[in-house]
Amino acid sequence: QPVLTQPPSASASLGASVTLTCTLSSGYSNYKVDWYQQRPGKGPRFVMRVGTGGIVGSKGDGIPDRFSVLGSGLNRYLTIKNIQEEDESDYHCGADHGSGSNFVSVVFGGGTKLTVL
Amino acid sequence: EVQLVQSGAEVKKPGESLKISCKGSGYSFTSYWIGWVRQMPGKGLEWMGIIYPGDSDTRYSPSFQGQVTISADKSISTAYLQWSSLKASDTAMYYCARLEGAPAEWWFDPWGQGTLVTVSS
Repeated sequence: QPVLTQPPSASASLGASVTLTCTLSSGYSNYKVDWYQQRPGKGPRFVMRVGTGGIVGSKGDGIPDRFSVLGSGLNRYLTIKNIQEEDESDYHCGADHGSGSNFVSVVFGGGTKLTVL
Repeated sequence: EVQLVQSGAEVKKPGESLKISCKGSGYSFTSYWIGWVRQMPGKGLEWMGIIYPGDSDTRYSPSFQGQVTISADKSISTAYLQWSSLKASDTAMYYCARLEGAPAEWWFDPWGQGTLVTVSS
């Protein structure tokens, strides 16, 4: 199954932009990845899914236009523009692993803690 | 509004049993898989297992197989996660979430608010 790797931390100034990265392990370049936002003390919420062609499907409820995604090779990116204080969160990536259309497992990255300066 | 509401925080001693719940509302509970996810203090998310309340088909992560039991009572739109003998290492926040999409193309949305389980002597 794939391994998802995320840097443990990132920071950006209020109003700036930041790009978070989730890297798939070798051999899984065709996998889509889901991004989840987890605000302090809260449960995760779905942000959006990303493949090599960009967003797959729709954003999660209430996710602002400032959030966007891109995919390239083994990397899946989440970019946040015009960062606001409420964007300070842990961001997790996850992927559904299957054999054909048969579900096998779900894997998550270690999460990136985004600090807004 | 689709909602998953979990039972409250629990404090238990090692060796005790526990069953926590996740009640779905605002959608057809029997038509969507429900997953359970563990988050240990200061750590990332770990998938534990999933259940289809329509027929109770259940799949476990190998890491949690035999350690927990996932079940559902479709008559009251509630999924459960239970332990027969808790360990201190089970101390964590546990989330339930609905699975959207198709098998092997799922994502979790929405999530419950989480149930904090503390196991300490």
